[in-house]
Amino acid sequence: ETGVTQTPRHLVMGMTNKKSLKCEQHLGHNAMYWYKQSAKKPLELMFVYNFKEQTENNSVPSRFSPECPNSSHLFLHLHTLQPEDSALYLCASSQEIRSWDREKLFFGSGTQLSVL
Amino acid sequence: AQTVTQSQPEMSVQEAETVTLSCTYDTSESDYYLFWYKQPPSRQMILVIRQEAYKQQNATENRFSVNFQKAAKSFSLKISDSQLGDAAMYFCAYRRGSGGSNYKLTFGKGTLLTVNP
Repeated sequence: ETGVTQTPRHLVMGMTNKKSLKCEQHLGHNAMYWYKQSAKKPLELMFVYNFKEQTENNSVPSRFSPECPNSSHLFLHLHTLQPEDSALYLCASSQEIRSWDREKLFFGSGTQLSVL
Repeated sequence: AQTVTQSQPEMSVQEAETVTLSCTYDTSESDYYLFWYKQPPSRQMILVIRQEAYKQQNATENRFSVNFQKAAKSFSLKISDSQLGDAAMYFCAYRRGSGGSNYKLTFGKGTLLTVNP
């Protein structure tokens, strides 16, 4: 148990569907992150939230819409995705982005997304 | 922009033997941190070891140690007495030490380590 829980573990969706990924952390952290892990490619940072405020949008297409209602929860809303969006989406958290140990990211187990 | 290169897509090692995973990086910064993360089949990324660039001494964590060559921009991971549970994908990562967006981790593509019994 890492303290960072992601649901669902697997998701298959059509290009016209709307779905959401959920991440919850029980570590008392204030920063949360979405990463995309595609086959044969390095992990890509997508979004960063610090104290519920978005501090980073790494040029992510608008078909991905993040939401952070509080420091413990992070969502990634998906709509009209493309097959190339199929990947493992990892959530992570840290104490906060400016703390000395902010590099100690705690990751969830990810949602494996397949877009048909 | 910083880049991290892992030139070994796959490696294998016999149980109880030692294996070294390679990583090189490119940066113009002088203050930075380097990391090795492990991703087992459970998919959860776990921090294995980290190195501060200003420290000359190589970091060690039990059976895991690094060979940090700052001038060569090399950061290899040595796993001693390999165990079956070490089988995983290993990612090398870089983070700036200061300045804007220094919370960003730049990852390599990973090395898949197989441990043979």
